[in-house]
Amino acid sequence: QQKVQQSPESLIVPEGGMASLNCTSSDRNVDYFWWYRQHSGKSPKMLMSIFSNGEKEEGRFTVHLNKASLHTSLHIRDSQPSDSALYLCAASRAGGYKVVFGSGTRLLVSP
Amino acid sequence: NAGVIQTPRHKVTGKGQEATLWCEPISGHSAVFWYRQTIVQGLEFLTYFRNQAPIDDSGMPKERFSAQMPNQSHSTLKIQSTQPQDSAVYLCASSPTGGNQAPLFGEGTRLSVL
Repeated sequence: QQKVQQSPESLIVPEGGMASLNCTSSDRNVDYFWWYRQHSGKSPKMLMSIFSNGEKEEGRFTVHLNKASLHTSLHIRDSQPSDSALYLCAASRAGGYKVVFGSGTRLLVSP
Repeated sequence: NAGVIQTPRHKVTGKGQEATLWCEPISGHSAVFWYRQTIVQGLEFLTYFRNQAPIDDSGMPKERFSAQMPNQSHSTLKIQSTQPQDSAVYLCASSPTGGNQAPLFGEGTRLSVL
């Protein structure tokens, strides 16, 4: 059974600080990773995707992927209170397979 | 673009009753996913359709849950003889073809079984 493990379960960072979130897939055939953000009472919204080894930056958000270790990480610099949310990692294989989500990291940015 | 539409937004049922949840995927999207979200279990995969055909239902509790996609514009998730442990937010998502295109979620249906 394909699993996606996320750590930490929860994280508190001060406003302006750096948040680092981790995600590992148990599926050696995984091809795609996505990061979603879910604010309280809302549905998950896709934040960033990464499909190949290396790093991708969009504004304050950076994702890394190491395919050999099946590990991706999301880093948020200059964290804002509005970044407080549940961050979900998702993974899938090529060829139209199901998309599996981790349990998430709950981020709280304290003013 | 209206996004993925789920109805109803909230549903309250008594134990043992049936619940039917509806999802209208984004027009043109051929992949439709159903998930269930609770605080304890997180976001659990239930089932997945592509071009209306069931592809993977490995997450579906076999006895009381069923899902269908009779046409490209809607999918239903039916829960028979609902139990309190079925209480959750049920989320539907769609993507253009599956693959490397991220599923986009509807706002969900909150099911409460009393």
